[in-house]
Amino acid sequence: DGGITQSPKYLFRKEGQNVTLSCEQNLNHDAMYWYRQDPGQGLRLIYYSQIVNDFQKGDIAEGYSVSREKKESFPLTVTSAQKNPTAFYLCASSITAGSSRYNSPLHFGNGTRLTVT
Amino acid sequence: AQKVTQAQTEISVVEKEDVTLDCVYETRDTTYYLFWYKQPPSGELVFLIRRNSFDEQNEISGRYSWNFQKSTSSFNFTITASQVVDSAVYFCALSEAGRDDKIIFGKGTRLHILP
Repeated sequence: DGGITQSPKYLFRKEGQNVTLSCEQNLNHDAMYWYRQDPGQGLRLIYYSQIVNDFQKGDIAEGYSVSREKKESFPLTVTSAQKNPTAFYLCASSITAGSSRYNSPLHFGNGTRLTVT
Repeated sequence: AQKVTQAQTEISVVEKEDVTLDCVYETRDTTYYLFWYKQPPSGELVFLIRRNSFDEQNEISGRYSWNFQKSTSSFNFTITASQVVDSAVYFCALSEAGRDDKIIFGKGTRLHILP
């Protein structure tokens, strides 16, 4: 079955360590996104990518980095510069990039819950 | 400014009752899209419906219905004869054509269906 796989489901790290969250999709979607979800805050966009080797900052990119070396993969690194990294991270994809992306629904993974102590 | 407001943070109803989740949006664009997503306890958001700004027809899908009113900038979601499986967090979202990939989500409404 096609879908988006995020791993691991739970991740624990010590403060000051970088950590990379995995996101893989086999839907052949062009666009991929990373969102952060905090209790009562909705979803906030961290980074997005419409095409391989290109990505754009979202609303809260500081302290995060991404890469898009393959169409299927969009890993997110939470760096030590991120002041409050404990959160639920959701990866998503949509079928189109370009001008049609505004009306394409997002497909989400199951999320990774990151706890930094 | 682009904004989505879901004023109801949390709602609890008894099974089989009807419940309406409110969504109010703000946009300066004439072309935009509205979405509803469901987030069950598993965490994955599931797409429910999309509406574009030129289509004000209400939609019904089984026990779910959506009421889109441009005059009040609202896109409300009603669940009829609620079931325990409807318990989830529901998000309303707005996408404006011409904006750079800004999909704005509301803060969500947590719905508890009590048996």
